[in-house]
Amino acid sequence: DTEVTQTPKHLVMGMTNKKSLKCEQHMGHRAMYWYKQKAKKPPELMFVYSYEKLSINESVPSRFSPECPNSSLLNLHLHALQPEDSALYLCASSLTGLAGVAKNIQYFGAGTRLSVL
Amino acid sequence: SQQGEEDPQALSIQEGENATMNCSYKTSINNLQWYRQNSGRGLVHLILIRSNEREKHSGRLRVTLDTSKKSSSLLITASRAADTASYFCATVKGNQFYFGTGTSLTVIP
Repeated sequence: DTEVTQTPKHLVMGMTNKKSLKCEQHMGHRAMYWYKQKAKKPPELMFVYSYEKLSINESVPSRFSPECPNSSLLNLHLHALQPEDSALYLCASSLTGLAGVAKNIQYFGAGTRLSVL
Repeated sequence: SQQGEEDPQALSIQEGENATMNCSYKTSINNLQWYRQNSGRGLVHLILIRSNEREKHSGRLRVTLDTSKKSSSLLITASRAADTASYFCATVKGNQFYFGTGTSLTVIP
């Protein structure tokens, strides 16, 4: 099973709503990632979890709150978002979070298309 | 920003022709990877080249890496309409992946 599953596929929310994005993988990967991607732009790294611990936070606003309940699951909790947060949110996983691993490739989910009204 | 730059931004070729896209980056790396993204979908890993390698082949893909110039190129030979997608280089250090600006490739049947 080389799949990363993201739910929901589409999400529309108001600026006062609270919602969550979910990501799941069963490949035994110990590093999981959240990216934000705007149209015609590259994915921008938001958060990295390594062995269920937050290892990188790329100065993301606090209205985005990540959570890694276990090694297979990654959530992104959303609260009081702005219209400019509308984007494709991608989750990825890789084998390990250790530095210098030569074969550390990422597997991506299909993404959640988020619209903030 | 640790993001790499890619050129060209967009490339349109006829089926059967070769496509070359280039990536320049700023920081030291463990490896450099190339990914493909079909419109509105997740990225798919294509090929990885380690920092001590200069060239790598995989099927119709050929990747080169010049660490002294901090640059890489991806060559797709004998292109097909199904190769139409965006292509991103990713510089990798540990578990940090930073994607380049991307090249949008259109292969005309």
